[in-house]
Amino acid sequence: GAVVSQHPSRVICKSGTSVKIECRSLDFQATTMFWYRQFPKQSLMLMATSNEGSKATYEQGVEKDKFLINHASLTLSTLTVTSAHPEDSSFYICSALLGGLETQYFGPGTRLLVL
Amino acid sequence: DAKTTQPNSMESNEEEPVHLPCNHSTISGTDYIHWYRQLPSQGPEYVIHGLTSNVNNRMASLAIAEDRKSSTLILHRATLRDAAVYYCILRDLQMAGMRFGAGTRLTVKP
Repeated sequence: GAVVSQHPSRVICKSGTSVKIECRSLDFQATTMFWYRQFPKQSLMLMATSNEGSKATYEQGVEKDKFLINHASLTLSTLTVTSAHPEDSSFYICSALLGGLETQYFGPGTRLLVL
Repeated sequence: DAKTTQPNSMESNEEEPVHLPCNHSTISGTDYIHWYRQLPSQGPEYVIHGLTSNVNNRMASLAIAEDRKSSTLILHRATLRDAAVYYCILRDLQMAGMRFGAGTRLTVKP
């Protein structure tokens, strides 16, 4: 099956700093990737849609200036959490579309802890 | 967005079949039915998807009701590694992002 990786797998940072999370499709090209966030004991919440070569589309309530998304190539999308605060601590998961928009493959997730 | 309804939790015995139900009475004609599962501290794993006909793959089978208002994910022989939260998601091709509900937490007893 298609493989999506994320880096880092977990990160701890101080409040006020920025953190970059990478999402890569390892064996296929993905013009569209997605970013999700999952708080403890909750379901995944779609944050934004990342399209290669164009601006990301953010879901309602997600601050685009706080969660910067860059989809610079067909295999890489990055999410930067700017000026992170403790309430941004969460499990961030990306996914990539394979084929004719039918199947999404998810990365293993990145656990962010902001102190 | 069309919503899905799943039981919060289910239990199964190891090596027995498991039928995970999903109701989606407001499904539209272009909605695909997707199933994913998530183990603790991992990203969701694709299980199966279908539109109208029943589908089989190496992981599971998907039985779709004739009126498409419900579907059932079938694990033919549950193993301990199948213990996870199973999500039933409707997705229109035009709406690429996945909208996750609460899912069903499957417990497999040895």
